Amino acid sequence: EVHLVESGGGLVQPGGSLRLSCAASGFTVSNYYMSWVRQVPGKGLEWVSIIHRGNNTYYADSVKGHFTISRDNSKNTLFLQMNSLRAEDSAVYYCARAESPGNFDYWGQGTLVTVSS
Amino acid sequence: SYVLTQPPSVSVAPGKTARITCGGKNIANKSVYWYQQKPGQAPVLVIYFDSDRPAGIPERFSGSNSGNTATLTITRVEAGDEADYYCQVWESSSDYVFGNGTKVTVL
Repeated sequence: EVHLVESGGGLVQPGGSLRLSCAASGFTVSNYYMSWVRQVPGKGLEWVSIIHRGNNTYYADSVKGHFTISRDNSKNTLFLQMNSLRAEDSAVYYCARAESPGNFDYWGQGTLVTVSS
Repeated sequence: SYVLTQPPSVSVAPGKTARITCGGKNIANKSVYWYQQKPGQAPVLVIYFDSDRPAGIPERFSGSNSGNTATLTITRVEAGDEADYYCQVWESSSDYVFGNGTKVTVL
């Protein structure tokens, strides 16, 4: 059974950094497209980043240059390194698996990031 | 950037049919995906490639896509279908677009 479990969220000051993790089970992350999607509580979904099976990485314009997506195949885990955090980065961050590039077939339960002084 | 437009809310009586639209320019030329999100939970894929259902999704959920509008249809609506529904398309490797979401209320 496919499971995705995010961790690493929390309260951080503006300009600070956080590293989110997404531990996967029931499948091998390197065989899929893996993505991060965020949602401000009470608002809609916003795609953040994706890493392809071939390790190519892509980012939404809103996070390009200050977020980095990566994965550790030995730990079957996806990461999101978030630097220079801003208040507008506050959201629940979901990791999601995509079997094809276009759609997300499994999602984790999310981890809340709050950027505030 | 591509824009997807959904109605903020749809209300439907139990046992009736709910139709949720997703408008976008020439959306028929794209594959549309639909997600259901209940309060406090992660999104769940309910329709992919316009009209395919993942395993475990009831046949009451169906999708269509034509012209400038994609539609998610829920027949024989149940109380458990009350949720937010989001459409999504994939524009390119760096452009995944979600609609603004539609809250479905079961009366």
